Amino acid sequence: NAGVTQTPKFRVLKTGQSMTLLCAQDMNHEYMYWYRQDPGMGLRLIHYSVGEGTTAKGEVPDGYNVSRLKKQNFLLGLESAAPSQTSVYFCASSYSGSGLTEAFFGQGTRLTVV
Amino acid sequence: QQPVQSPQAVILREGEDAVINCSSSKALYSVHWYRQKHGEAPVFLMILLKGGEQKGHDKISASFNEKKQQSSLYLTASQLSYSGTYFCGTVPIQGGSEKLVFGKGTKLTVNP
Repeated sequence: NAGVTQTPKFRVLKTGQSMTLLCAQDMNHEYMYWYRQDPGMGLRLIHYSVGEGTTAKGEVPDGYNVSRLKKQNFLLGLESAAPSQTSVYFCASSYSGSGLTEAFFGQGTRLTVV
Repeated sequence: QQPVQSPQAVILREGEDAVINCSSSKALYSVHWYRQKHGEAPVFLMILLKGGEQKGHDKISASFNEKKQQSSLYLTASQLSYSGTYFCGTVPIQGGSEKLVFGKGTKLTVNP
């Protein structure tokens, strides 16, 4: 099994450009999460989804949008990239909610906004 | 709201023990522990559920005090492979939230 796959792995954007990060999981997990990781800040939750067609805001949602049209995919969009969005982005998925099962992480996407 | 981890960093010699703490201001369903090596994705270690149980994973164990909303990760007889950044993740009970929120991490360095 591939587990959780993130596309792309690296990307450089110019300020104001838009892009979409794709997260795909093949474990039939209901719950999916997007985090950003910055030095000294840990993993901060951007948005999450508790099932197909649902999304919810995390701790740092501003500047990002998400969609979960298919159960296996969770997309993270940046409509107008800013240098402050330079970060490593991780997607994760889990089988059940309330933190009852482990979260599986993708390998991350390193995004640089210049 | 991120849980608070302490200490921020620990340096050990191989064979020494360490404790990493995690606390939340909210009542919790569960506490997760993950380890991340440089340039890699976080990897799951263990989950502790509401009920105050203690779990073990080789020489790594953890406890969860649900009255205090605190969890501790115990690393005994540390090995070089234990080096990395450890994150606790929490899921609060209130409001039916399903947020899995992580702390800022504790960087553990194990030297020969």
